[in-house]
Amino acid sequence: GAGVSQSPRYKVAKRGQDVALRCDPISGHVSLFWYQQALGQGPEFLTYFQNEAQLDKSGLPSDRFFAERPEGSVSTLKIQRTQQEDSAVYLCASTPGITEAFFGQGTRLTVV
Amino acid sequence: GDSVTQMEGPVTLSEEAFLTINCTYTATGYPSLFWYVQYPGEGLQLLLKATKADDKGSNKGFEATYRKETTSFHLEKGSVQVSDSAVYFCALRTDSNYQLIWGAGTKLIIKP
Repeated sequence: GAGVSQSPRYKVAKRGQDVALRCDPISGHVSLFWYQQALGQGPEFLTYFQNEAQLDKSGLPSDRFFAERPEGSVSTLKIQRTQQEDSAVYLCASTPGITEAFFGQGTRLTVV
Repeated sequence: GDSVTQMEGPVTLSEEAFLTINCTYTATGYPSLFWYVQYPGEGLQLLLKATKADDKGSNKGFEATYRKETTSFHLEKGSVQVSDSAVYFCALRTDSNYQLIWGAGTKLIIKP
């Protein structure tokens, strides 16, 4: 596709459930980022990939959060044993290098 | 640490009014500065950027000038339209980092 695609757009999870959020970056983009955006706030960095290598995961809030990009294209953010504080919009962005970041529409996760 | 502060919203203006959304930053070194816009139901889009002091970014009638002496990157538009209603985010990226550091966002409402 022409842009960054994220799925699902909306996810409602029961507390304690595991979820997986998918990001399809723009083809050929080397760098991929995940951000978390709480309601009324700016995005907060979660993790960064360069190709398949996860170079920085310092923003992941707990060991319940895990991200992968095994073939250097599609990435999955997994959250285990979801908690209410995990409710947020999860944004994926890709860039061809250290230039403009292109964002997907995000996945809105609601934990009930 | 690095941070971005932008004026709180919502900002409500009439069509054709002059717009200023203030943004100031704290960063080591010489960051690149960005304004992103998020229209209702859409993902974040880069509006404009500036990579060094005194640079002026411009797009769609919006402008912002990188002022190192005042550590500011205020967004301006001479005559706003209803279609400019959106949330505007100021962000920075430093030379030593690749992630974007974001302000909290300013919601802009333009009334006809």
